[in-house]
Amino acid sequence: GENVEQHPSTLSVQEGDSAVIKCTYSDSASNYFPWYKQELGKGPQLIIDIRSNVGEKKDQRIAVTLNKTAKHFSLHITETQPEDSAVYFCAASFANAGKSTFGDGTTLTVKP
Amino acid sequence: GAVVSQHPSRVICKSGTSVKIECRSLDFQATTMFWYRQFPKQSLMLMATSNEGSKATYEQGVEKDKFLINHASLTLSTLTVTSAHPEDSSFYICSAGGTDGSYEQYFGPGTRLTVT
Repeated sequence: GENVEQHPSTLSVQEGDSAVIKCTYSDSASNYFPWYKQELGKGPQLIIDIRSNVGEKKDQRIAVTLNKTAKHFSLHITETQPEDSAVYFCAASFANAGKSTFGDGTTLTVKP
Repeated sequence: GAVVSQHPSRVICKSGTSVKIECRSLDFQATTMFWYRQFPKQSLMLMATSNEGSKATYEQGVEKDKFLINHASLTLSTLTVTSAHPEDSSFYICSAGGTDGSYEQYFGPGTRLTVT
């Protein structure tokens, strides 16, 4: 089955700096790669996603890049703010609304 | 749009009792719903996939007789934890996939189960 590895497990940045979280996946059949933000005691919230036919996608301060050949994808957050502090999960899945395999999560702390 | 609710948000029960958790898609029809369990400081672990009108598909290691899943309509799935034990205490989260062929999953807010 699919295996998703996520690094780093914790990340601390100064407000205004950029943050990068990286994930690798094992199954070349995976074609959908979402990123979720989870705040304490809440369910995950989709913040950005990318499909395998696209190499990069950007939404304001958040961007995701995908390298299908190397089977890795990354989340980039620019101009970080304290409210960006949360746990971020990457995931990989195949086909429409298919089940996702999650990475272990990255705890991001943005220091004011 | 794409709102998923869960009820209850928190529940405390005694060992040996059963607890039912509801997951509803409020503004869309969900062909498929997923149930996850999350222990503190850990990732989401998929327990089962439920499709409307058919039996759920359980992940390896998940006891189907202990975690009963029913997906009776396109907007409602339920998870019943039977004969709960303290080790079943966890954060249970559902997600729903739309019927429009989109790839996205929409997550509920989660249910904190504590078994005493």
